[in-house]
Amino acid sequence: KNQVEQSPQSLIILEGKNCTLQCNYTVSPFSNLRWYKQDTGRGPVSLTIMTFSENTKSNGRYTATLDADTKQSSLHITASQLSDSASYICVVSAAAKLSFGAGTTVTVRA
Amino acid sequence: ETGVTQSPTHLIKTRGQQVTLRCSSQSGHNTVSWYQQALGQGPQFIFQYYREEENGRGNFPPRFSGLQFPNYSSELNVNALELDDSALYLCASSWGQTQYFGPGTRLLVL
Repeated sequence: KNQVEQSPQSLIILEGKNCTLQCNYTVSPFSNLRWYKQDTGRGPVSLTIMTFSENTKSNGRYTATLDADTKQSSLHITASQLSDSASYICVVSAAAKLSFGAGTTVTVRA
Repeated sequence: ETGVTQSPTHLIKTRGQQVTLRCSSQSGHNTVSWYQQALGQGPQFIFQYYREEENGRGNFPPRFSGLQFPNYSSELNVNALELDDSALYLCASSWGQTQYFGPGTRLLVL
């Protein structure tokens, strides 16, 4: 069983709408949690990094939250744009080892 | 742009052959990691090099090997290719807590 579970597996939203992606993890000891955006056929690009003491971090229209007690994180995309169509990967760092989720594929339609 | 480049972008090999993938990191990034990403999955950690020494390895057989050079470039070598080796191979260099991914090499084994 993967130690980082993401949901939903995929979603389709209309341009301008908001959406929220979920990440649950069992990895320990926890160091930090990262959200990456991966365009098709490209390498992942970092969106946010949060440590244990941070419960929210924003990067433009992307806002990540972290609840280290329940081991849950979310990534909220505000006012989606066509360029937001990508896979969003949650990555948890523990003892210098990274555990990757399978990603959520977001498709934004006009 | 992350400043990390990989070559070639695409490659087709047949079962049993050997392949070498290359990665060029940003200057000063003395840690490089390699990942295998199957279609629709998150990246799986292969190994990590720090100052030209392997200092971490995932669940991959010995036919996956690597090298890191003083000029911040690195190689991933895969011997005796199998059909299941078909994937996107990503390298990532590290500066602090942030990993910078290259665009990947897509390998197809026939």
